[in-house]
Amino acid sequence: NAGVTQTPKFQVLKTGQSMTLQCAQDMNHNSMYWYRQDPGMGLRLIYYSASEGTTDKGEVPNGYNVSRLNKREFSLRLESAAPSQTSVYFCASSEGLSYEQYFGPGTRLTVT
Amino acid sequence: QQQVKQSPQSLIVQKGGISIINCAYENTAFDYFPWYQQFPGKGPALLIAIRPDVSEKKEGRFTISFNKSAKQFSLHIMDSQPGDSATYFCAASLQTGANNLFFGTGTRLTVIP
Repeated sequence: NAGVTQTPKFQVLKTGQSMTLQCAQDMNHNSMYWYRQDPGMGLRLIYYSASEGTTDKGEVPNGYNVSRLNKREFSLRLESAAPSQTSVYFCASSEGLSYEQYFGPGTRLTVT
Repeated sequence: QQQVKQSPQSLIVQKGGISIINCAYENTAFDYFPWYQQFPGKGPALLIAIRPDVSEKKEGRFTISFNKSAKQFSLHIMDSQPGDSATYFCAASLQTGANNLFFGTGTRLTVIP
């Protein structure tokens, strides 16, 4: 079992460029999440998907969109990247909406 | 507004010592209080969790102490080892409804041999 996988591991974008972060889980979990981690701020929820076919905003959704492609995959899109979106992005999954979340290894994104 | 306040920001402990990390919250609706451990370059991993009707939970060298009246909880790492060096996040969970996990700002623990 690979658990939660994320691609890419690192990315550098110029302001205004777009990109999609990919996430997949092989634990047959229903719920998936996207967080960003910034120094001194902990992890903040961007979007989540309680189950296949549903997505909802978290604490910091502005500038992002998500797609729950199927039960395994949940992608995060930045349509027009801004320097404020420089961060480490983590995808997580859980059986249902729960504190017991399993995190991927993260994507380090730099926007210049 | 930070839902869960965590201190200290960083902590250095000698091998064999006790590491203590503290957290506080305001929302009495929170119903689980997990701790996550994160090694450099990795994602956080659930370490231990406690419910608010329990005052203490122990798993190996890791203990959560919970003070419901003070709305505070803490992680104690007994006999700290260099392998425990990581960033620790406390969190609070609302098991019903949406945005269900709120993280503290993290404590970077360094255990020196």
